Amino acid sequence: KAGVTQTPRYLIKTRGQQVTLSCSPISGHRSVSWYQQTPGQGLQFLFEYFSETQRNKGNFPGRFSGRQFSNSRSEMNVSTLELGDSALYLCASSSRGTTDTQYFGPGTRLTVL
Amino acid sequence: AQTVTQSQPEMSVQEAETVTLSCTYDTSENNYYLFWYKQPPSRQMILVIRQEAYKQQNATENRFSVNFQKAAKSFSLKISDSQLGDTAMYFCAFMKTRFSFNKFYFGSGTKLNVKP
Repeated sequence: KAGVTQTPRYLIKTRGQQVTLSCSPISGHRSVSWYQQTPGQGLQFLFEYFSETQRNKGNFPGRFSGRQFSNSRSEMNVSTLELGDSALYLCASSSRGTTDTQYFGPGTRLTVL
Repeated sequence: AQTVTQSQPEMSVQEAETVTLSCTYDTSENNYYLFWYKQPPSRQMILVIRQEAYKQQNATENRFSVNFQKAAKSFSLKISDSQLGDTAMYFCAFMKTRFSFNKFYFGSGTKLNVKP
């Protein structure tokens, strides 16, 4: 089986812009979770989608949003980018949810200038 | 609020030896999950081991085992027969579960260096 893929792998944006990141889960997995990883804040849970519905949500502002499609692929959108949004964004998929083994993608490195 | 503390920012161990990474957490929840994740340099994060709070028996996965002390809110990871491939950042994570609304909290990580 192919692993979790994330596109793009690297992205450079400027403040105020918006960005969309994509995640394709392992075939058959219905849960997709998103995480933000920064040197200062560490790993933080953003949200989880399951069968096209947001099931869980971390403590992030409304500028961070996501969605999941019927084929379980997920997108994460960040609007009005701030310098502090520079991070590695990780996506993970699992068959049932966050209590299952999650398989992580390689991440998207976002740099906000 | 839930917090996860990893008090060892960096550790070193000789190949073939045993090392223990510590993790403590703070919660008022009774039902939750605990995880250890491994993030090798420039590689993808993988789940090492998982423990359900209602299970008294410590989880074990090959060379990896945990010492789960619920009353002390402690969840340490023991790596036996350390291998060079174990060199990575290790993150302890706590997830509370309530009516399927799960939230993850991660520790700051411990960088483990396995020396030949």
